[in-house]
Amino acid sequence: DVVMTQTPVSLSVSLGGQVSISCRSSQSLVHNNGNTYLSWYLQKPGQSPQLLIYKVSNRFSGISDRFSGSGSGTDFTLKISRVEPDDLGVYYCGQGTQYPYTFGAGTKLELK
Amino acid sequence: EVQLVETGGGLVQPGNSLKLSCATSGFTFSTAWMNWIRQTPGKRLEWLAQIEDKSNNYFISYLESVKGRFTISRDDSKSSVYLQMNNLKEEDTAIYYCTRLRRGYFDYWGQGVMVTVSS
Repeated sequence: DVVMTQTPVSLSVSLGGQVSISCRSSQSLVHNNGNTYLSWYLQKPGQSPQLLIYKVSNRFSGISDRFSGSGSGTDFTLKISRVEPDDLGVYYCGQGTQYPYTFGAGTKLELK
Repeated sequence: EVQLVETGGGLVQPGNSLKLSCATSGFTFSTAWMNWIRQTPGKRLEWLAQIEDKSNNYFISYLESVKGRFTISRDDSKSSVYLQMNNLKEEDTAIYYCTRLRRGYFDYWGQGVMVTVSS
């Protein structure tokens, strides 16, 4: 199985600040079709996860351009700029390239 | 508006069974690849099962550790997907989410349903 390793486990940020979350996979996430199925999700307190970014760098419908994804192969990064209160929660990376689909353990974003 | 609503959770004793349902609306269910994902008490997300659409002969995939105990199914006439869980174990205690897979990512999630396996 592809192991997804997220760092850091938690992050403290001031409102208006910028943060980066790293996600590394144990195998390349490049699919046979050339696509890289790495996505990012945010789980706000008391809610189900919601899709933020798909295929490394594509923002899902309605997602602010303050969120950006980058990376390739096995190393990926989510950046959040101008952090707002509604951004707080747990961020997960996930891969849809290979069965079984797997997720990172999460990064908790908190206010400093 | 897209909606996925899971039902059927609850408290069950080890060894017993439970069937989860997920009723959907707001998208073309018949062509959707539907999945079940669970979130453990430790907040870890674990993919469980997927059922593809009719054009792919309703092909099914499972996480190896639940194969033989869990069965995913769908009813396109009701825009619903199901998860039959047999021989439940305490480690199956989790929140279970119904999700849609779209080209390698999960774009819509239900609100989740709690399953507790305990004697």
